[in-house]
Amino acid sequence: QVTLKQSGPVLVKPTETLTLTCTVSGFSFTASRMGVSWIRQPPGKALEWLAHVFSSDERLYNASLKTRLTISRDTSRSQVVLTMTNMGSLDTATYFCARMADHTPHVFDYWGQGALVTVSS
Amino acid sequence: DIQMTQSPSSLSASVGDRVTITCQASQDVGESLNWYQQKPGKAPKILIFDASNLETGVPLRFSGSGSGTDFTLTINSLQPEDFATYYCQQYENLFTFGPGTRVEVK
Repeated sequence: QVTLKQSGPVLVKPTETLTLTCTVSGFSFTASRMGVSWIRQPPGKALEWLAHVFSSDERLYNASLKTRLTISRDTSRSQVVLTMTNMGSLDTATYFCARMADHTPHVFDYWGQGALVTVSS
Repeated sequence: DIQMTQSPSSLSASVGDRVTITCQASQDVGESLNWYQQKPGKAPKILIFDASNLETGVPLRFSGSGSGTDFTLTINSLQPEDFATYYCQQYENLFTFGPGTRVEVK
């Protein structure tokens, strides 16, 4: 059974760094050739893709947020971590992690439960 | 960066209606286009992949078409559980979601 379980703070202060963890089970990053993305959704707004790590550990970033984002993977812990620096009010959103295979079909097929992160002092 | 647009942004429909949502990419994405359904408080669910392929378990009333820059999601005979927001997403170059189309009860 494939699951993605997210953990992290629900409240961060402006200028702080956000660290979110996605712990996966039911598949292997490398053996299954699976990557994981982080995607966010401000309240009442659209989905925005943030970053992706492939099974090879190659990483991709949203160009408009690239300077603030770091995605990393710990295979031994089955975890993918996203850090976002210099948080501001516009970063208040529900953050999701989602799995996508390196091979076709390239779909986000399993998602974490989502976590609302509020930026406020 | 590839930008995605969708139209309409929202629509009102009744059970049994046929609904069509369009998605346009700012540059050619081939058939690297997926459609998702999202209900309030839930994660998105994949419906259509590679522009026209129905994900396993998704009802046959959902269909997708298009290639290049113009794509369409059609829902034939809308059911009560289909009232939701629909997003297109390209993966030709990085990943980009469209702004969404909310399907509401008329």
